[in-house]
Amino acid sequence: DSGVTQTPKHLITATGQRVTLRCSPRSGDLSVYWYQQSLDQGLQFLIQYYNGEERAKGNILERFSAQQFPDLHSELNLSSLELGDSALYFCASSVEEGAAYGYTFGSGTRLTVV
Amino acid sequence: LAKTTQPISMDSYEGQEVNITCSHNNIATNDYITWYQQFPSQGPRFIIQGYKTKVTNEVASLFIPADRKSSTLSLPRVSLSDTAVYYCLAPGPGTASKLTFGTGTRLQVTL
Repeated sequence: DSGVTQTPKHLITATGQRVTLRCSPRSGDLSVYWYQQSLDQGLQFLIQYYNGEERAKGNILERFSAQQFPDLHSELNLSSLELGDSALYFCASSVEEGAAYGYTFGSGTRLTVV
Repeated sequence: LAKTTQPISMDSYEGQEVNITCSHNNIATNDYITWYQQFPSQGPRFIIQGYKTKVTNEVASLFIPADRKSSTLSLPRVSLSDTAVYYCLAPGPGTASKLTFGTGTRLQVTL
């Protein structure tokens, strides 16, 4: 157990629907990162939050949004889902911003869009 | 965005030492180089991190030359359970680049 909790572990939904993925960072970590990993692909950075504020955006689609709440948990909202959105979505956390402290990843949410 | 370059795949026999090199010509001055291991359908796991010279922990060594434009992850005496994808993260200038992983190296260990 890495200390980063992601729910649900699996999600199957239809095209056009909206889903919410949840992440609880490791205790004491203020920064949360979201990544998308399609089948046999690398990790695509989506977005980062630090202590409730958005800090960096990667290749995140306009149909996707995220937020970090006062208790530091984060949610990634995916709407108007398409077949190509099927992927593993990982959340990572770190005590501060930047790579100097290393990231701790959760076990991911596997999203299947049918 | 910073670009890291690693071999796409490597093969090794059990018991051998494996060295995976990552090129990162545009690494930011103050940033560390970090390596992660990922098994199928699992999140990446931190292996080792360094700034310069050599770092060793219980699972790997990391060699970083003085110019810091590359780094080499060394796995001593690999076993079948080391079969995984290995990513180096070497941030460049700019916030988003600090968070961008390369394509990774798929290591296959066989008997």
